[in-house]
Amino acid sequence: SQELEQSPQSLIVQEGKNLTINCTSSKTLYGLYWYKQKYGEGLIFLMMLQKGGEEKSHEKITAKLDEKKQQSSLHITASQPSHAGIYLCGADTSGGYQKVTFGTGTKLQVIP
Amino acid sequence: NAGVTQTPKFRVLKTGQSMTLLCAQDMNHEYMYWYRQDPGMGLRLIHYSVGEGTTAKGEVPDGYNVSRLKKQNFLLGLESAAPSQTSVYFCASSLQGDQPQHFGDGTRLSIL
Repeated sequence: SQELEQSPQSLIVQEGKNLTINCTSSKTLYGLYWYKQKYGEGLIFLMMLQKGGEEKSHEKITAKLDEKKQQSSLHITASQPSHAGIYLCGADTSGGYQKVTFGTGTKLQVIP
Repeated sequence: NAGVTQTPKFRVLKTGQSMTLLCAQDMNHEYMYWYRQDPGMGLRLIHYSVGEGTTAKGEVPDGYNVSRLKKQNFLLGLESAAPSQTSVYFCASSLQGDQPQHFGDGTRLSIL
């Protein structure tokens, strides 16, 4: 089983709608990272969360790390076609601050 | 500013052949990583390095070797390629282990 579970696996939304992607772990998340990947390209860093209860926003994307540091959510407000891609969460679940485990990703399609 | 550069971008090998993938970063990062990305499996760590002259095994190290002779370069070698190693390989680097990773554009490797 995956150490980091992402849900949903795929999502199709109409332009302008809001959406949420979740990333859940059975272990403490010492550092949680959100990335976006377009088909055939590398991963682009979006945000990093480290403290329980922390919330960060960039443009129309908001990410939160829950108080127990075992779940994170990524929320997109008023989605646009440019938001389409694969969203991956990655986390340090050992506390060693050397390597990151990634979830399997959430594929987002935005229909105009 | 190039960031993380991977060469080659595409390669087709026959079973049993050997090859080396090169990753170069110009950000003076200490940490470097090699991942493979397969459908349904997400991003899995092959090997990583916490500094020049160091290497460590990740989640799926079998069949691969790495070297970090210079701080800016991280080489991934396949000594005897197998069809199971057909994948997209990503290199990443970070300033320290608790900092976001910067990714290259990937190498698509097919082994026949």
